[in-house]
Amino acid sequence: QSALTQPASVSGSPGQSITISCTGTSSDIGSHNLVSWYQQNPGKAPKVIIYENSKRPSGVSARFSGSKSGNTASLTISGVQAEDEADYYCSSYAGSSTYVFGTGTKVTVL
Amino acid sequence: QLQLQESGPGLLKPSETLSLTCTVSGGSISSSTYFWGWIRQPPGKGLEWIGSLHFSGITQYNSSLKSRVTISVDTSKNQFSLNLSSVTAADTAVYYCARIWPRDWFDPWGQGTLVTVSS
Repeated sequence: QSALTQPASVSGSPGQSITISCTGTSSDIGSHNLVSWYQQNPGKAPKVIIYENSKRPSGVSARFSGSKSGNTASLTISGVQAEDEADYYCSSYAGSSTYVFGTGTKVTVL
Repeated sequence: QLQLQESGPGLLKPSETLSLTCTVSGGSISSSTYFWGWIRQPPGKGLEWIGSLHFSGITQYNSSLKSRVTISVDTSKNQFSLNLSSVTAADTAVYYCARIWPRDWFDPWGQGTLVTVSS
């Protein structure tokens, strides 16, 4: 199981939209609509912000949205704010009750 | 509100066995709905799924760790545990436990516990 590929860093000015990609294979992302996204602030545990590709848990800002096409999933932050500065990780079900995480993306708000 | 809390030694020597426990509060580990998992994060690096368990005893492990990992459950204590044998410096990481929802997402997570392997 190789880690899903994410860009190491993405940046944007306040109010801009940014998108983080998460590329896997036909064995994980491509085979299952089970991609989730996590936000991790320094020294804290990850927190789910998107599940099942595009669903948002209660309490998560509507600025966060997710999508999937083929072997690639994407997380978009619309109107990025300073509080969104954090590390973001994707995760996918990989079959046979196994999981794989992405390499992680550091979001910087300029 | 469900909460998870990791506990265990923070410092190990190479070749020793890492043993951590995750205590679940505010809910039952014996719910048939959920699986429970362990994830780790080396300092400054990304997340790695270690393995998962159902209270019935069903387990699944990351193939890269499978020969060294055992995850078990103690329903009487509402806990599940991680054992990782023959540790090396490469096993130094923050170890998290988490609940796994039926559609394969992790929530909530414990606060994490740092385990350092050093001679």
